[in-house]
Amino acid sequence: NAGVTQTPKFQVLKTGQSMTLQCAQDMNHEYMSWYRQDPGMGLRLIHYSVGAGITDQGEVPNGYNVSRSTTEDFPLRLLSAAPSQTSVYFCASSGAGVGEQFFGPGTRLTVL
Amino acid sequence: KQEVTQIPAALSVPEGENLVLNCSFTDSAIYNLQWFRQDPGKGLTSLLLIQSSQREQTSGRLNASLDKSSGRSTLYIAASQPGDSATYLCAVSGRDKIIFGKGTRLHILP
Repeated sequence: NAGVTQTPKFQVLKTGQSMTLQCAQDMNHEYMSWYRQDPGMGLRLIHYSVGAGITDQGEVPNGYNVSRSTTEDFPLRLLSAAPSQTSVYFCASSGAGVGEQFFGPGTRLTVL
Repeated sequence: KQEVTQIPAALSVPEGENLVLNCSFTDSAIYNLQWFRQDPGKGLTSLLLIQSSQREQTSGRLNASLDKSSGRSTLYIAASQPGDSATYLCAVSGRDKIIFGKGTRLHILP
């Protein structure tokens, strides 16, 4: 099993550009989530999904969209990137609701 | 609103010492609590998961306890080694959301 995979590993955007961060898991987990990690702020929940077709907002959802069309994939979309979205983004998944969380390796995003 | 606090923010101890990291949370209605390790520039590695009905979990030199009524968890590391140097994070799960503490940065001195 590959576990949780994220692409790309690194990305540089200009203000106003859009992009999608990809997240996939091969463990048949129902629960998936996106976090951002900033120095001094810890990990903050952006969006989460309890199953295909169901998504909800976390602590810091503004500026981000998600969808969950399959159990395996949970992409995070930045529609118009801002410098405040410079961060490291982590995707995670778990089976059986909010059980043991498995994290992807992260995407380091810089918005100029 | 659930808040998770980890104290201290940073800790340096000589190799071989036993140590305790603390995690406190404000809402005792949790499903589970999980401890993670994060090395610089890397992702999170799960160390221990304690279900709300459990009091403790052990893995090798690590032991985590949970006291829901007082809103506290501790991570005990026995016989610390330089390889234990990392940031340790606790995460508390409610019905749908997981809230993280800001972590304790641990440095084991050789």
